[in-house]
Amino acid sequence: QVQLVQSGAEVKKPGSSVKVSCKASGDTFSNYTITWVRQAPGQGLEWMGRIIPLPHVANYPQKFQDRVTITADKSSSTASMELNSLRSEDTAIYYCARELVDYSASSGYVYYGLDVWGQGTTVTVSS
Amino acid sequence: QTVVTQEPSLTVSPGGTVTLTCASSTGAVTSDYYPNWFQQKPGQAPRTLIYRTNNKHSWTPARFSGSLLGGKAALTLSAVQPEDEAEYYCLLYYGGLVIFGGGTKLTVL
Repeated sequence: QVQLVQSGAEVKKPGSSVKVSCKASGDTFSNYTITWVRQAPGQGLEWMGRIIPLPHVANYPQKFQDRVTITADKSSSTASMELNSLRSEDTAIYYCARELVDYSASSGYVYYGLDVWGQGTTVTVSS
Repeated sequence: QTVVTQEPSLTVSPGGTVTLTCASSTGAVTSDYYPNWFQQKPGQAPRTLIYRTNNKHSWTPARFSGSLLGGKAALTLSAVQPEDEAEYYCLLYYGGLVIFGGGTKLTVL
């Protein structure tokens, strides 16, 4: 059974950066995709992007294109998400999750769901 | 801007049946949107219940089922238990992009 364990809570100043890690165990890391989702206090879920470890390809929604970098280290089975230029609105719980994907030469990558989630990492941005 | 819409809140009696829906501002939801459903209880990480419209994970209770209904994705809970009280989120895929619905707060009363 795959498990995702995230790094601990962070408190950051506005304008700084934060890097959250997500260590996988229980399956071959390079076989699946890791996606990142955040949840501001009392709010819903928001997708931040994903990485496919083997070709090291990352995708981001337009909102986070300029501020988020997602990486993966196969040697440690760890994915990381770095968010730059932090502001108070970035205060949230950040989650990683394994994303299910099919690949074919004709269709490329077809994403179709999530399964296991990390426990979440609280990031607080405050001066 | 694409919006995914869920009922803000629903109430169901224990033992009853309730259906939550997930609509897209772009039109009818089809299987090509690969709808997913998640349950989140206070202070916990989300838990995936349904993926690719109607597929269950090994941990998904049998009383949860996913479907397409009237141009929307749907999650039906049968024989509702008190422990099913939670926030439920749907997710739709737009090509490779992911958009979550705003969530439905389900009260079991």
